[in-house]
Amino acid sequence: GNSVTQMEGPVTLSEEAFLTINCTYTATGYPSLFWYVQYPGEGLQLLLKATKADDKGSNKGFEATYRKETTSFHLEKGSVQVSDSAVYFCALSSTSGTYKYIFGTGTRLKVLA
Amino acid sequence: EAGVAQSPRYKIIEKRQSVAFWCNPISGHATLYWYQQILGQGPKLLIQFQNNGVVDDSQLPKDRFSAERLKGVDSTLKIQPAKLEDSAVYLCASSLRVSYNEQFFGPGTRLTVL
Repeated sequence: GNSVTQMEGPVTLSEEAFLTINCTYTATGYPSLFWYVQYPGEGLQLLLKATKADDKGSNKGFEATYRKETTSFHLEKGSVQVSDSAVYFCALSSTSGTYKYIFGTGTRLKVLA
Repeated sequence: EAGVAQSPRYKIIEKRQSVAFWCNPISGHATLYWYQQILGQGPKLLIQFQNNGVVDDSQLPKDRFSAERLKGVDSTLKIQPAKLEDSAVYLCASSLRVSYNEQFFGPGTRLTVL
């Protein structure tokens, strides 16, 4: 069945450092891919998405490219801020049937001033 | 636009007791989801509604969990009787329709079973 694997955390970075959080997936067909962010005490929020191969999703300085050849959707940001501290979830959605979401286990990011 | 509302935000119960969670999705959203998020894990889908019909409940432990979405708007999720392993955050999400590529999440209800 479909699955998502993301790098374990926590990831601790200094402010203005470069961020990469790895995400790989296993799926039949051509899923849509997502990054969601969860700030302390809040629900998940969509950060960015990509719906087909080679698409690049971007938002708030974060980017991720849908790589079908490597089945990956790595999250990157060139310069992190303290306010980026949160838990980041990679997810996929099948594009037929129930369009079910499968989430990764989450990666906690802590950015130090 | 108001977001997805959930209540209560926190609940502590003894094992074998029952508990209910409530969710009000974003107005006009036809699809509603309940997820269970155990500490250190990603959300796991329990049940998905399209209007007031069930689309997917394959991972709902039906011997103790039940959910309904009467009139296709609000939804309740019930656990009876609760077990220690049910301690988790229960997230409600909604989307415009099943095939719409974004789900909007509520703040969740943190359940502790003692």
